[in-house]
Amino acid sequence: QKEVEQNSGPLSVPEGAIASLNCTYSDRGSQSFFWYRQYSGKSPELIMSIYSNGDKEDGRFTAQLNKASQYVSLLIRDSQPSDSATYLCAVMRDGGSQGNLIFGKGTKLSVKP
Amino acid sequence: DAGVTQSPTHLIKTRGQQVTLRCSPKSGHDTVSWYQQALGQGPQFIFQYYEEEERQRGNFPDRFSGHQFPNYSSELNVNALLLGDSALYLCASSSGPTLGQPQHFGDGTRLSIL
Repeated sequence: QKEVEQNSGPLSVPEGAIASLNCTYSDRGSQSFFWYRQYSGKSPELIMSIYSNGDKEDGRFTAQLNKASQYVSLLIRDSQPSDSATYLCAVMRDGGSQGNLIFGKGTKLSVKP
Repeated sequence: DAGVTQSPTHLIKTRGQQVTLRCSPKSGHDTVSWYQQALGQGPQFIFQYYEEEERQRGNFPDRFSGHQFPNYSSELNVNALLLGDSALYLCASSSGPTLGQPQHFGDGTRLSIL
C-alpha cells in the first residue's frame, strides 16, 4: 500500500462548479497535512495546511481532515480555469526528527470555461 | 521578501559526471529540505538540513550528498550521474525541522542526463 494515495485524474469540472479532491494516507502517526498546487512546469505552491479533524476554510478553498478514516480532502468552490493544475496531497509525520513531507502522485484538475 | 531561490534553473550533464545544485531559503527560515520529482510523480524526499547537519534522509543512495552553510543556504551534490537522475530537483525551506511547519518550495532545477 502506498503511503499517500490520490486519484491521478484528470478531474474535469465546469467553471463555477465545486471541485473535490481526495487523498488517503496509511501512517496513523501522521499529524500534519498539506495541499500544494503545481502548474505544469512549475514548482509546488502551498495552498492549505490542516492539523486537526474537521474543516478549514481559506477563501474558495476548504480542507477537510478525518484522522480516524485517514482521509483528507480539498474542496475548491466557484472553480476557475486558472485553478487548472495538479494538486498534490502531502503528509508529515511529526515528532522527533520526522519533518519530511510524503507526497501523493497528484490529481490533475481541469476547469472548463 | 525573497522566497526560496535555486540555481541553476536548468542543467544538462552526461552519465558519470557530478553536479552541484544550490538553494537559498526564504528569509527567516533555517531548515532546508531537498526533493526529487520525476515526470508525472510527486516529489520524493532526499534529505533535510538543520543547524548545518543532515537531520533526516530519504531512500536515496550515498551518491546524493549535501551541505548547509552558516547562512542557512544549502547545496545538493550528486556524483556518478545516471540516466535515472534526470528530474526536477526542488528545495524547500521552513522554520525549524519539526512541529509541522509548512515547507515552501523554490522554482527548482531541471536536471537532464544524456
